[in-house]
Amino acid sequence: DADVTQTPRNRITKTGKRIMLECSQTKGHDRMYWYRQDPGLGLRLIYYSFDVKDINKGEISDGYSVSRQAQAKFSLSLESAIPNQTALYFCATSDPDRGPYGELFFGEGSRLTVL
Amino acid sequence: SQQGEEDPQALSIQEGENATMNCSYKTSINNLQWYRQNSGRGLVHLILIRSNEREKHSGRLRVTLDTSKKSSSLLITASRAADTASYFCATDGNGNYQLIWGAGTKLIIKP
Repeated sequence: DADVTQTPRNRITKTGKRIMLECSQTKGHDRMYWYRQDPGLGLRLIYYSFDVKDINKGEISDGYSVSRQAQAKFSLSLESAIPNQTALYFCATSDPDRGPYGELFFGEGSRLTVL
Repeated sequence: SQQGEEDPQALSIQEGENATMNCSYKTSINNLQWYRQNSGRGLVHLILIRSNEREKHSGRLRVTLDTSKKSSSLLITASRAADTASYFCATDGNGNYQLIWGAGTKLIIKP
């Protein structure tokens, strides 16, 4: 089984709909991240959480919200989806014992299409 | 903003040849990481090199870091079809615990 699991893997929705992407991990890491990947732009950080009570905005948080329900679960919501949020979304974790910029462990991604 | 920029954007070589990709960055860093992404899949960590290291090896991978030039290179020796993927560098350096990613190099290994 994957250490970092994202659901759904693919989702097509319409403009204005609320969407939630879920992430769960079995690595026991405190740190979790949501990234967005667009062609030609690399990864951009949306939100990150260093523990259950810690939520931080990343580079592109506008239009997104997150919830850290437990150490193992971190969900990303789009309250009212718009077409330019069409992208591949990744959840990742890291081990704080490896330092603030340690290795990231990624899920397989959630491909979201907003029509 | 993009801290790391990979070069070339795409690279196509024959199986068995060596592949070299480069990453340039703008600010001072604590470390630099390389990741691989197979098409549409999650990224996989390859290697991390610290700012006080100049070279690091892992199997067929060799990473160098030149902090004076603010650049790193990833060399894959004796390439295989399974090495076909996109390769990304990621750096820290903006002081707020966020990695900054380049746009990646797409590597194609021809049989």
